[in-house]
Amino acid sequence: QVQLQESGPGLVKPSQTLSLTCTVSGASTSSGNHYWSWIRQSAGKGLESIGRIYTTGRTDYNPSLKSRVSMSVDTSKNEFSLKLTSVTAADTAMYYCAREVKGGIAEYYIDYWGQGTLVTVSS
Amino acid sequence: DVQMTQSPSTVSASVGDRLNITCRASHPISRWLAWHQQKPGKAPKLLMYKASSLESGVPSRFSGSGSGTEFTLSIISLQPDDFAMYYCQQYNNYPWTFGRGTKVEIK
Repeated sequence: QVQLQESGPGLVKPSQTLSLTCTVSGASTSSGNHYWSWIRQSAGKGLESIGRIYTTGRTDYNPSLKSRVSMSVDTSKNEFSLKLTSVTAADTAMYYCAREVKGGIAEYYIDYWGQGTLVTVSS
Repeated sequence: DVQMTQSPSTVSASVGDRLNITCRASHPISRWLAWHQQKPGKAPKLLMYKASSLESGVPSRFSGSGSGTEFTLSIISLQPDDFAMYYCQQYNNYPWTFGRGTKVEIK
């Protein structure tokens, strides 16, 4: 049974860096058939893709966040991580990690989500 | 980015009703569309991918159709467990983008 669990601080001060980790069980972050994603949800913007990372470390980032986002994967710990720098109140959201599965050539779709973690940006 | 527009934003229905939710993409996305269900306080759950492929374990009362820019999620004979939010999501061009959701509420 695939499970993803987000962890990290629930409160981050403005201008600081948001750091989250997603621990994966029931699947392997070294699999060549998956991407590992971060998605956030807020009342203002709805669901928003942040970025995704492949086991090789290859990344795709949302251009709207690209200058502030970095992701990494640690296959030895079976986890992947998100860093978002220079946060503001607009970054307050529920943050989800998710798995994308390969459905065919160049086709990857989200098939599992973590439970989410609420991150509030406030002084 | 590809903009996804869902309609209606809210629908009131009764157990046993048939329901259609529409999703339109601002650019053609072939059949690279997924539908997710979300209940209050819970993570979204995949229902459908490639427009009409039912995810394993999802009841057959759910079906999907469409290609290009217009897609539909249909639920025949609504069950109490189906009252939730539904989101469409395109995965033709990164960043993946989502509709704003359709709330299915009890009439």
